[in-house]
Amino acid sequence: AQSVTQPDIHITVSEGASLELRCNYSYGATPYLFWYVQSPGQGLQLLLKYFSGDTLVQGIKGFEAEFKRSQSSFNLRKPSVHWSDAAEYFCAAHGWGAQKLVFGQGTRLTINP
Amino acid sequence: SQTIHQWPATLVQPVGSPLSLECTVEGTSNPNLYWYRQAAGRGLQLLFYSVGIGQISSEVPQNLSASRPQDRQFILSSKKLLLSDSGFYLCAWSEVASGGYGTQYFGPGTRLLVL
Repeated sequence: AQSVTQPDIHITVSEGASLELRCNYSYGATPYLFWYVQSPGQGLQLLLKYFSGDTLVQGIKGFEAEFKRSQSSFNLRKPSVHWSDAAEYFCAAHGWGAQKLVFGQGTRLTINP
Repeated sequence: SQTIHQWPATLVQPVGSPLSLECTVEGTSNPNLYWYRQAAGRGLQLLFYSVGIGQISSEVPQNLSASRPQDRQFILSSKKLLLSDSGFYLCAWSEVASGGYGTQYFGPGTRLLVL
C-alpha cells in the first residue's frame, strides 16, 4: 500500500540551529512529494513540492528539501531555525493520476530560545 | 489569485444537532475540492473529494455527507452530530492538471466541538 512515514513525532531544536525533518515514502513509482506547515489553529501552508528534475527543491521561509530516490526519502531542511518556525510539519505524496494526497502523521517542531 | 474561505471558524454544537460547514474558492474554475478532518494530536483524514458539481467521493463511512451545489462551493453536513465528530475540519482545492496532479491548497479550517 502507498504510504508516507515521518519517523519523528516531536523534535526540539534550539533557535539558530539547523533542522532536518525526515520523510520516507512507499510507492511503486516516484510520487509527487510535498511539505506543508501548520501553525496552531491554522490551515496547512505549502512549503515546497517536488515533481521532477532537480532533486534539491527550494521553498518558502528558507526551507529546502532533497529527494533521494535510492532512500525513498524527501527530507526537509533549514540551516538556521527561528522561533516562528515552531509548528507541525506534514510530508505528503501523490501518485501519478491519483486523486488523493497521502499524508504522513506529522512532526511537531519545538524551538528552544 | 486564488483564495479559499471556510466558515464558521469555530462552532460548538450539542450531540444530535445538525451540522453545515461551508467552503468556497475564488479565482479558479472547476477545481477539485476536498474535505479533511484532523482530530486533536493526529494527522489528516480525507473525508470527501469532488471533481465536479454533484460528484462526491466518500473515503470513510460515517454520519457525515458532502455536497457540491456550485462549481466553487463545497459543503460538509451531518443530520445528527456525534461526540467523535469533534475536530478541525479543513477544506482544500486543487487545479485539475493535465496528465498529473494539481497541488492542494488549504483553507483556514473550522474547529468543531461537539458537547
